[in-house]
Amino acid sequence: DGGITQSPKYLFRKEGQNVTLSCEQNLNHDAMYWYRQDPGQGLRLIYYSQIVNDFQKGDIAEGYSVSREKKESFPLTVTSAQKNPTAFYLCASRGPGGRGSEQYFGPGTRLTVT
Amino acid sequence: AQSVTQLGSHVSVSEGALVLLRCNYSSSVPPYLFWYVQYPNQGLQLLLKYTTGATLVKGINGFEAEFKKSETSFHLTKPSAHMSDAAEYFCAVSAMNSGGYQKVTFGTGTKLQVIP
Repeated sequence: DGGITQSPKYLFRKEGQNVTLSCEQNLNHDAMYWYRQDPGQGLRLIYYSQIVNDFQKGDIAEGYSVSREKKESFPLTVTSAQKNPTAFYLCASRGPGGRGSEQYFGPGTRLTVT
Repeated sequence: AQSVTQLGSHVSVSEGALVLLRCNYSSSVPPYLFWYVQYPNQGLQLLLKYTTGATLVKGINGFEAEFKKSETSFHLTKPSAHMSDAAEYFCAVSAMNSGGYQKVTFGTGTKLQVIP
């Protein structure tokens, strides 16, 4: 089955620790995205990557970092500089087809920082 | 610039009743529009999309939406609600920026409650 996997489903960390969220896809998609979801705020774009070894900041990149060393993988690191990291994080990919192509989402990782 | 407004963060309907979820958009280019559904603690799943052509778009699970350019709307409907339709629904608009990147802007979501 083709799709996107995110791990772990739930993640708990202490304040001041960096944490890395995994995102893997086997859809052979070039474009990948990270979103943050908070209640009542919809999805906000953190980072995106259109191709291997290239990525761009989204609307709320401060306190986050990413890498794209392989087409299949786009891990997100939440650093200690992120002031309010507790949230639901969603990874997505998009196939070819221009702006009419839809995004495919992973099941999400819920991060709780105390 | 583009934006999406979803009217009503919570909508309740009785089982078997009409479902109507409202979405208005603004876009500086002809819009490509999407509706996604999210069940609790899961990712988003595409319900339907409008790109070009027929303005009435049919999607999965009996949902459909009509693109109305004059009203800048893309409302989602389903004739008869089922308990399994209880979820959060997101409207989104897509455009390409100057760098060739697909910028997708999501609405804030509407939670649908279905009352038995």
